[in-house]
Amino acid sequence: ETGVTQTPRHLVMGMTNKKSLKCEQHLGHNAMYWYKQSAKKPLELMFVYSLEERVENNSVPSRFSPECPNSSHLFLHLHTLQPEDSALYLCASSQGASLNQPQHFGDGTRLSIL
Amino acid sequence: ILNVEQSPQSLHVQEGDSTNFTCSFPSSNFYALHWYRWETAKSPEALFVMTLNGDEKKKGRISATLNTKEGYSYLYIKGSQPEDSATYLCASMEYGNKLVFGAGTILRVKS
Repeated sequence: ETGVTQTPRHLVMGMTNKKSLKCEQHLGHNAMYWYKQSAKKPLELMFVYSLEERVENNSVPSRFSPECPNSSHLFLHLHTLQPEDSALYLCASSQGASLNQPQHFGDGTRLSIL
Repeated sequence: ILNVEQSPQSLHVQEGDSTNFTCSFPSSNFYALHWYRWETAKSPEALFVMTLNGDEKKKGRISATLNTKEGYSYLYIKGSQPEDSATYLCASMEYGNKLVFGAGTILRVKS
């Protein structure tokens, strides 16, 4: 039980599909993050939300669209993805976005683009 | 661009051995250093967050040190056990910047 739940665990989609990844945290944190891990590459920060406001967008293509409706939920909407977007997508949360607080991660969604 | 390097890339040790790995990061404008343990098929788990030069932190058989002036952190595991097998990630942050992860050190402990 990590306190951060991601669904689905696995997703296979075509390049023209639209899908969404969901993240929910039960830790009372007020900052949430999306990370991408491609094969043989380090974890890469995509988006940061603090108090439901986006504070970081790490030059991510517009085919990835985040949404944070409240401090407990974070979505990543996917549209017209490319094969190189196949990766593990991790959600994390922390108490504050100052980054001197540890981040709590979900188990990730393994995304495959056909 | 902040560059975080971890060495070695992988390590195989026998049960009972003590081991250590290194995380190197730019020392200028340093703000915080994180260590995480990532077991296969699980989520990354926070071990330590360190901010002060000379910091030493300990959690059971695992400890870490931080040298912000020369830009490195060491993670030590005393008496390695098979359950310590995991990828150990470090991540560094500069003031006003994002958390940047290293590629990790893969540890395998043989019983």
